[in-house]
Amino acid sequence: TQLLEQSPQFLSIQEGENLTVYCNSSSVFSSLQWYRQEPGEGPVLLVTVVTGGEVKKLKRLTFQFGDARKDSSLHITAAQPGDTGLYLCAGARTGTASKLTFGTGTRLQVTL
Amino acid sequence: DAGITQSPRYKITETGRQVTLMCHQTWSHSYMFWYRQDLGHGLRLIYYSAAADITDKGEVPDGYVVSRSKTENFPLTLESATRSQTSVYFCASRGVAAYGYTFGSGTRLTVV
Repeated sequence: TQLLEQSPQFLSIQEGENLTVYCNSSSVFSSLQWYRQEPGEGPVLLVTVVTGGEVKKLKRLTFQFGDARKDSSLHITAAQPGDTGLYLCAGARTGTASKLTFGTGTRLQVTL
Repeated sequence: DAGITQSPRYKITETGRQVTLMCHQTWSHSYMFWYRQDLGHGLRLIYYSAAADITDKGEVPDGYVVSRSKTENFPLTLESATRSQTSVYFCASRGVAAYGYTFGSGTRLTVV
């Protein structure tokens, strides 16, 4: 059973476009993280959100944690080729804070 | 160099052989994790460790053995490799006060 569903699975856009990636679950998470993974490498942490309704910005990336702490979104403004990669959300469920459950990922390709 | 290193990067082994994947971190992080990454399944937790000599099963532990005699090392052993264990394996670590994981670069294992 996949606890975290990401959508879309694949996204191919042109440079300059905006996009949103969604991460949804029926479970409540004490914290949620977003990672980016490039080919041949391990995932790299982008952000952690811990409070329901929290919004964090990292340059052109905006992350939001749902009020009920069951979902999250990642919005990229004016995408660049350097944003290309696999985006993964990962949640820590209450009482299991040391273990993360990962979503299946969204593969983003940004072309010139 | 500081960081988390996995070895080997690539490994081909035959069905039925024992193989050990190594993971070493230099931060003295308490928590260490082993994940496997497969198309369609995302990252799935195999085993994790909260401290030296403390290990516990994750989502897919069957066929794997771990040990943690020293804080910095967390080897993963496939006792009798099967083709279904062909995958990319990632080791990760996390400090007690941190949320995010730091991942190694992975080991691509092929069982023939």
